[in-house]
Amino acid sequence: QSALTQPPSASGSPGQSVTISCTGVNSDIGAYNYVSWYQQRPGKAPKLIIYEDSTRPSGVPDRFSGSKSGNTASLSVSGLQADDEADYYCSLSTGSNDFVLFGGGTKLTVL
Amino acid sequence: VQLVESGGGVVRPGRSLRLSCAASGFSFSSYGMHWVRQAPGKGLEWVAVIWYDGSKIYYGDSVKGRFTISRDNSKNTVYLQMNRLRAEDTAVYYCASWVRYHDCAMGSWGPGTLVSVSS
Repeated sequence: QSALTQPPSASGSPGQSVTISCTGVNSDIGAYNYVSWYQQRPGKAPKLIIYEDSTRPSGVPDRFSGSKSGNTASLSVSGLQADDEADYYCSLSTGSNDFVLFGGGTKLTVL
Repeated sequence: VQLVESGGGVVRPGRSLRLSCAASGFSFSSYGMHWVRQAPGKGLEWVAVIWYDGSKIYYGDSVKGRFTISRDNSKNTVYLQMNRLRAEDTAVYYCASWVRYHDCAMGSWGPGTLVSVSS
């Protein structure tokens, strides 16, 4: 059982926007500094798309954005494209034992 | 940045296996490294982390006492020694580098290596 809770699925039509939430259990998202997000296409390794709550690595389109409020972090994808269809995972570091937590993942379907 | 895992395979329960992750294209000795695994059809599970100089190491609860992470900065390689393997350790194992010197988000990933524990 993941310590970070994500909806198992999300969907949207091409061009629409979708938001995926990531909720902590014990105020961990609010207590710890940074949430990161990963995209994993079928059969591929995960790819970092957001770190430090809202920073995009070089090469990640600005259609992807991250935010955090209280004990919930969110990943927003605007202008949905077929290529965005993938699993998305949130993660944070606790800085101590059980150093990294992952959410259970959200499967994004582009209708 | 390139990370390439090796050492996976089929192994009997109770046996050992050592995974390697060869790094290139960045200053390996300046970055912490993670191992992350993914069981078939399941989500990501963090396994272990090692600081850039090996000074700090943490493990996930499910592997603590059985797995050991280490690194050789002269060889640009990080290792995962897996002992007393169990069926539930079956997974694709990924190594990942920190996104920045002081930020342990997983900036780059290898393609993964499959470990199958079966009798």
